[in-house]
Amino acid sequence: ELKVEQNPLFLSMQEGKNYTIYCNYSTTSDRLYWYRQDPGKSLESLFVLLSNGAVKQEGRLMASLDTKARLSTLHITAAVHDLSATYFCAVDIWRDDKIIFGKGTRLHILP
Amino acid sequence: DGGITQSPKYLFRKEGQNVTLSCEQNLNHDAMYWYRQDPGQGLRLIYYSQIVNDFQKGDIAEGYSVSREKKESFPLTVTSAQKNPTAFYLCASSIASGRALWTGELFFGEGSRLTVL
Repeated sequence: ELKVEQNPLFLSMQEGKNYTIYCNYSTTSDRLYWYRQDPGKSLESLFVLLSNGAVKQEGRLMASLDTKARLSTLHITAAVHDLSATYFCAVDIWRDDKIIFGKGTRLHILP
Repeated sequence: DGGITQSPKYLFRKEGQNVTLSCEQNLNHDAMYWYRQDPGQGLRLIYYSQIVNDFQKGDIAEGYSVSREKKESFPLTVTSAQKNPTAFYLCASSIASGRALWTGELFFGEGSRLTVL
């Protein structure tokens, strides 16, 4: 059974600081996704990582994928309050078309 | 505008009643999914469908049923057999694997919040 684990589950940080959210998964996959969810809202796609070594950047967020380590990271640079949200990683089970989500990292950025 | 429409946005149900949540998409996507989200939790897969007239159980299918009679529609019925149905339900769609533009990226509706009284 595929397990997708995010770390940390909750993060409170000051504006201007850098931090990294980790996503580990337990089975073979080379497709990983990051989503953002604002309170009471739906999920918005942030990054699609489709191969080992993939790196994507959008503004202050950068995501990377290491399929050999079964690890993805979401790095936040110089955090701003608008980035406060819950961030989910999701993994595509190879050949099964199931997309399994982690529990999410609730990010709270203090002004 | 292309997108996914879920209805109703809020729904209250008495114990013992079945309810059906609607999910319609005009993105021409082959694959559709239903997820359940509980407070402070991740998303758990209920059912998914890759093509019309076919669907597969996810990790928590008990107490739920679906149909896929049309490509655009994937309704979810929460039956009285679901012991704890109060949750936020999210429908999503994607291009089916095997298609040239497939990435597996999911596009979500706005969600339906079900409360059992």
